[in-house]
Amino acid sequence: QVQVQESGPGLVKPSETLSLTCVISGLSITTGYNWGWIRQPPGKGLEWIGSMYHSGGNYFNPSLKSRVTISVDKSNNQFSLNLNSVTAADTAVYYCARLGVVGGFDVWGQGTLVTVSS
Amino acid sequence: EIVLTQTPLSSLVTLGQPASISCTASERFVHSDGTIDLSWLHQRPGQPPRLLIYRISNRLSGVPDRFSGSGAGTDFTLKISRVEAEDVGIYYCTQATKFPYTFGQGTKLEIK
Repeated sequence: QVQVQESGPGLVKPSETLSLTCVISGLSITTGYNWGWIRQPPGKGLEWIGSMYHSGGNYFNPSLKSRVTISVDKSNNQFSLNLNSVTAADTAVYYCARLGVVGGFDVWGQGTLVTVSS
Repeated sequence: EIVLTQTPLSSLVTLGQPASISCTASERFVHSDGTIDLSWLHQRPGQPPRLLIYRISNRLSGVPDRFSGSGAGTDFTLKISRVEAEDVGIYYCTQATKFPYTFGQGTKLEIK
């Protein structure tokens, strides 16, 4: 069974960089699936942050593109999110997820709450 | 970007009765191979979203057959034939065809 799990600091100071890691179990990250990050501010809806494609490309939401990077660590079967210059508006539960061959995000982590505050 | 508008935003349904959620897209979105990646997610309080329906009308393995999806063009619908207590939560439509991927605002389903 494929599972993903987010990890990282729960508190980040304004103007600093938010860094999260998503560890994949039950499937090699090199298998050919695509992966992504989605966030959800408290009490609000879902926002796609960006995705990493096995073909080698990364795509990001234009609203965040200038501040986001997604990288892969094949040796540890994980991928990471970096979001720089954070503000309180970046406070959210951050999810990593698999973009399945069925064209939807079919495997989700439990999510990790990141609060931006001094 | 493709804006997905859901109606209603909240729904109060009696157990055993049907429920229906509409999702209207601001424009058509189709892959070059003709597929339309319009999905429906269900999120219970404190839980991550769960994929229910993919490519408009296909139930993911393990999803009860009381859930069905339909639609074409820019109009899509999720129907629950007989609502059960475990169906409470928020339902989102989402598209993964055109960048940026987008989600509807969510529809909160509650039991009357």
